[in-house]
Amino acid sequence: DAGVTQSPTHLIKTRGQHVTLRCSPISGHKSVSWYQQVLGQGPQFIFQYYEKEERGRGNFPDRFSARQFPNYSSELNVNALLLGDSALYLCASSWTRQETQYFGPGTRLLVL
Amino acid sequence: AQSVTQLDSQVPVFEEAPVELRCNYSSSVSVYLFWYVQYPNQGLQLLLKYLSGSTLVESINGFEAEFNKSQTSFHLRKPSVHISDTAEYFCAVRYSGAGSYQLTFGKGTKLSVIP
Repeated sequence: DAGVTQSPTHLIKTRGQHVTLRCSPISGHKSVSWYQQVLGQGPQFIFQYYEKEERGRGNFPDRFSARQFPNYSSELNVNALLLGDSALYLCASSWTRQETQYFGPGTRLLVL
Repeated sequence: AQSVTQLDSQVPVFEEAPVELRCNYSSSVSVYLFWYVQYPNQGLQLLLKYLSGSTLVESINGFEAEFNKSQTSFHLRKPSVHISDTAEYFCAVRYSGAGSYQLTFGKGTKLSVIP
């Protein structure tokens, strides 16, 4: 079975722009979580979605939003990009919210 | 606040030597513990996990970790490392509680295996 897939793999944006990152979970997994990993740090929780509803949100500004589609894939949107948004964005999927999370390869975002 | 501390940011070790990567978490009634490994320019791979039962858990590639509730620790060990073990290792905890299914990660430990 395919693992978690994310697109694009790399992205370069300028300050003030908007970005959309995409994630496809492992087949059968209904929960998707998003994490931000800044260089030299551990991943920080952004959102968790389950059955197309937001079930958890980390300490991130409202510029960050996400959604989950009927096929359980997910999008992370970031508006008004700042230099500090440069990071590796990781998507993780799990059968349910409580189950073990499996990560995708990430999208590396560079904001100039 | 929930927190995970990985005491060593970098650990150099010679090939075939033993290694221990330390992880401590803030106390809670019930926790689930994970170790993930990240190779350069890649995402996170699950290495092993403790959910319940035996406090000693093992991975398929020779790593093991022991859950110690009294010391709130989940240290990762391997008796003999290989060059291919060079990577960054992240300890993560999921605290039980209403609505709390997120993972909280430590800052990571970079393991460098020296030939």
